Amino acid sequence: LAKTTQPISMDSYEGQEVNITCSHNNIATNDYITWYQQFPSQGPRFIIQGYKTKVTNEVASLFIPADRKSSTLSLPRVSLSDTAVYYCLVGDMGNTGFQKLVFGTGTRLLVSP
Amino acid sequence: DTGVSQNPRHKITKRGQNVTFRCDPISEHNRLYWYRQTLGQGPEFLTYFQNEAQLEKSRLLSDRFSAERPKGSFSTLEIQRTEQGDSAMYLCASSSTGGTSGNTIYFGEGSWLTVV
Repeated sequence: LAKTTQPISMDSYEGQEVNITCSHNNIATNDYITWYQQFPSQGPRFIIQGYKTKVTNEVASLFIPADRKSSTLSLPRVSLSDTAVYYCLVGDMGNTGFQKLVFGTGTRLLVSP
Repeated sequence: DTGVSQNPRHKITKRGQNVTFRCDPISEHNRLYWYRQTLGQGPEFLTYFQNEAQLEKSRLLSDRFSAERPKGSFSTLEIQRTEQGDSAMYLCASSSTGGTSGNTIYFGEGSWLTVV
């Protein structure tokens, strides 16, 4: 399973755009990139998933360059409620077997007023 | 609300007692996972079911841990002779093979275990 590297923590202010970059140099051809958000004492919440280029949903955007060795989660206009830990994971989609997510320590995002 | 339901949400038990957690996955999800998370760390994989078959177990799952999914729907995770080191949040997750949600894994809110 490809390992990921992401910043331990980030600080931002309300209304700003936050970009969290994740490195995954050993990503395999079949691997997808998935981001989860986790609040204290809650389970991880799926945010977004992608394979290449750009994916956007109502919560975030995911930018993946052509070499796929990194990805950037973009959170537009963050609010205080976006303060959480964000995990970047890579792995196959489980089409050839089960999908074992390997979590790192994530990025702790603190949004201040 | 992801739809994965876990209970109890919190459990305090004395060392040496047995505890059981239940997980109800999202309806029609055939894959079910158990993870464990300690403070300051990301979740760690424990075990995986496809339907009723337990297909993968982590070495973290000692002999005191047993998980079942008898009818391919809900699952239970039992910890026998609990130790203080078992104190953690136990997360259940589920996914389907294909369908509109693809293979995305959805987590429940977790069950906190405190062993005193």
